[in-house]
Amino acid sequence: ETGVTQSPTHLIKTRGQQVTLRCSSQSGHNTVSWYQQALGQGPQFIFQYYREEENGRGNFPPRFSGLQFPNYSSELNVNALELDDSALYLCASSLTGNEKLFFGSGTQLSVL
Amino acid sequence: GENVEQHPSTLSVQEGDSAVIKCTYSDSASNYFPWYKQELGKRPQLIIDIRSNVGEKKDQRIAVTLNKTAKHFSLHITETQPEDSAVYFCAARGAGGYQKVTFGTGTKLQVIP
Repeated sequence: ETGVTQSPTHLIKTRGQQVTLRCSSQSGHNTVSWYQQALGQGPQFIFQYYREEENGRGNFPPRFSGLQFPNYSSELNVNALELDDSALYLCASSLTGNEKLFFGSGTQLSVL
Repeated sequence: GENVEQHPSTLSVQEGDSAVIKCTYSDSASNYFPWYKQELGKRPQLIIDIRSNVGEKKDQRIAVTLNKTAKHFSLHITETQPEDSAVYFCAARGAGGYQKVTFGTGTKLQVIP
C-alpha cells in the first residue's frame, strides 16, 4: 500500500507567476483534499475533490483551482501568486464514508 | 463556519509527566474530532480520533475526551517520552456531504528528558 505523495517538495516562484502542485492519493482512496499551512499555523482547508469534481471549498479566492484525474491523483493550481501564498501545501486523501485523512509530506512554496 | 480554538500554544513537561491539550469548537453539528501530530518538517499524522457519539477513547498512552454539551475536547498523553515532542493539532469535521476538517492553531509540546 503506497501513501500519499506530493511533488515537488520545494518550489520558489515570484509574485504574479502561476504554480501547479501535484498529489497522488493513497492506494484505494478516492477523495483528495488540499490544505494550506502557513508557518506556525494549523492547516487551512482549500477544497476537496471527489469523482473529478470539486465538492467543497474553503475561504480561498478563485485563483486557487484544482483538478482530479480518473486515477484519483490531483493538482492544485494557483494563479497570480502573492507573497502571502508562501506556505506549506498539504494534500490529504481519504475514502468516501471514512473520515480519516492521510496527509502527504507537502510542497513548501516560497513566493518572492 | 466552524471555528476551533486550541490551547496552550506551547507546553513543556518533564519526561514521565502527563500532558493535556484542550480544544473548543463552535459548530454543534460537528461529529468527528481527530488529533494530528506533526514533527518538524514532516507530514501531520493521525494519532487518535473520536466521534460525537463517544465520550472517551484511549489508545495506550493517549486518550481523548469529548464533551458535546460544552463543545470541547481534550487530548491526554500519559508517561510522556522525548519522542512525544512535536506540534499537536486538534480538528473538527462538520456534518455534511464533504469532509472539510477545521484545524486548531496547534500546541508545541516539549518533553524534557
